[in-house]
Amino acid sequence: ELKVEQNPLFLSMQEGKNYTIYCNYSTTSDRLYWYRQDPGKSLESLFVLLSNGAVKQEGRLMASLDTKARLSTLHITAAVHDLSATYFCAVGVDKLIFGTGTRLQVFP
Amino acid sequence: GAGVSQSPRYKVAKRGQDVALRCDPISGHVSLFWYQQALGQGPEFLTYFQNEAQLDKSGLPSDRFFAERPEGSVSTLKIQRTQQEDSAVYLCASSRPGLRTEAFFGQGTRLTVV
Repeated sequence: ELKVEQNPLFLSMQEGKNYTIYCNYSTTSDRLYWYRQDPGKSLESLFVLLSNGAVKQEGRLMASLDTKARLSTLHITAAVHDLSATYFCAVGVDKLIFGTGTRLQVFP
Repeated sequence: GAGVSQSPRYKVAKRGQDVALRCDPISGHVSLFWYQQALGQGPEFLTYFQNEAQLDKSGLPSDRFFAERPEGSVSTLKIQRTQQEDSAVYLCASSRPGLRTEAFFGQGTRLTVV
């Protein structure tokens, strides 16, 4: 059974700092997604990573995928308050298996 | 439409009542998915349609849950004899066919069973 784990579950960070969220999954998958969810809102797609070594960047967020290690990272550079949200990774082709989520809070 | 539309946004049901949740996918999207998201958790897969065919219903928690998409567009998730543990946000997503497509999620329906 495919399992997806994220860490940390909670992250409180100061504006301007850097941090990385980790996503581990238990079986082979060629596709990994990162989503953002604001409280009471739906999921917003951030990145789709389709191959080993894929790296994508959007603003202060950068995601990477290592299919051999079954690991994806979401790196936050110089955090700002607007990045406060819950971040999910998900693995799968049709049926997505989501991680536990990382609740990020950025404070001044 | 511009995005995946779900209705109602909020539903309060008395225990034992039947409910029906509607999903309008993005026009042209042949794949449609239902997920259940409990408070503080990640979404969990319920079922998946390609056009009108229900290809995977392995995530439906019990036979009280039923989903349909009779014309390959709008989908309805029905929950019979609701129980308190059914309280959650029900998310619908749709995607185009193909290997490089991603799923777009609706706003969800928050179901509270009292």
